[in-house]
Amino acid sequence: DAKTTQPNSMESNEEEPVHLPCNHSTISGTDYIHWYRQLPSQGPEYVIHGLTSNVNNRMASLAIAEDRKSSTLILHRATLRDAAVYYCILRDGGAQKLVFGQGTRLTINP
Amino acid sequence: EPEVTQTPSHQVTQMGQEVILRCVPISNHLYFYWYRQILGQKVEFLVSFYNNEISEKSEIFDDQFSVERPDGSNFTLKIRSTKLEDSAMYFCASSETAGDSYNEQFFGPGTRLTVL
Repeated sequence: DAKTTQPNSMESNEEEPVHLPCNHSTISGTDYIHWYRQLPSQGPEYVIHGLTSNVNNRMASLAIAEDRKSSTLILHRATLRDAAVYYCILRDGGAQKLVFGQGTRLTINP
Repeated sequence: EPEVTQTPSHQVTQMGQEVILRCVPISNHLYFYWYRQILGQKVEFLVSFYNNEISEKSEIFDDQFSVERPDGSNFTLKIRSTKLEDSAMYFCASSETAGDSYNEQFFGPGTRLTVL
């Protein structure tokens, strides 16, 4: 499984944008970039995914580097409820399982 | 909004005992999964299940583990003879599809298994 590298932790303030980086230098052409998050005492939750182009949904935006070796999850206006562990996961288009790393623990200050 | 449910929320058992963890996936989903998370560690894939058979399993999923879909709604994980190291949070997940770009997995709230 292709490996991702994320900072262990990040901190931001409420109502400010947050940029969560992910490096995946060994990504293959068929790997999709998925982001999940895990709120305290809950199961993981899908956030967004993409292949090559930047993606937007109601939760976040995903910016993918042109060479696909890195990506950034953008929370446009963080709230206290966004405090969670964020996981960047590479998944081959034909695969079923998700392979979680340690993720980035995001703290939001009021 | 449809959700995955799991019961019980917390199970305490003695080492060597059998446990069954139960999950009700989202009703129109076809693919089912179990993951576990030992306290303070990563979420780990255990098994995926489709069309009444295991489609993929990890090294963790040894002969002590089994899964079953006994009826049209439940999906269970059985551990035959629990060990101390089986203590973890067990998450069930389901997805409508698999093996394509959009395979959002919906996770349940988890069952915390404590083996004494």
